[in-house]
Amino acid sequence: DAGVTQSPTHLIKTRGQQVTLRCSPKSGHDTVSWYQQALGQGPQFIFQYYEEEERQRGNFPDRFSGHQFPNYSSELNVNALLLGDSALYLCASSEVAGANYGYTFGSGTRLTVV
Amino acid sequence: KNQVEQSPQSLIILEGKNCTLQCNYTVSPFSNLRWYKQDTGRGPVSLTIMTFSENTKSNGRYTATLDADTKQSSLHITASQLSDSASYICVVSDSGGGADGLTFGKGTHLIIQP
Repeated sequence: DAGVTQSPTHLIKTRGQQVTLRCSPKSGHDTVSWYQQALGQGPQFIFQYYEEEERQRGNFPDRFSGHQFPNYSSELNVNALLLGDSALYLCASSEVAGANYGYTFGSGTRLTVV
Repeated sequence: KNQVEQSPQSLIILEGKNCTLQCNYTVSPFSNLRWYKQDTGRGPVSLTIMTFSENTKSNGRYTATLDADTKQSSLHITASQLSDSASYICVVSDSGGGADGLTFGKGTHLIIQP
């Protein structure tokens, strides 16, 4: 049973470019959340998708957008990349959006902006 | 503002020894507390999750405790192994339970030496 799958694992982009990160949730999970983790810091919540809609959003600018597909997979898009966007981007899936259900994390995508 | 503080920031112990990691939180209202293990460059992996009514939970050599009155938690690792080298992150969820209600600590970086 596959867990959460993220692609690509590593990515290098130039400042000003756009990037798309992908996430496939764990089998049986229908909710996907995205986090940004800077080096040495805890993950920061970006947004959560459920039933193909953005349900919750953290304190991130509109340059960060997302999408969820009917098969529950999700994409994170970042436009006009800044050097400060360099981080590990984590996707977490869960059965329902909240409560005491566990969040299963993927291995992340390491984004480097140069 | 909800906060999770972890100590120590880093810890080095010899293989086979025990250790205890601390987590203090000011998240309110409280729903649950989770401990995750995160290997370098990988996503966090859940170790334990405890609700308000639980004061201890074990997962193999990992034992987590929770004192909801003092808002403190600890993670005790018994008979450490080299594979225990990782960052251990304490995550507290508010009563909404949603992904935006998760407050992450910065983690304790644990190094096990042979």
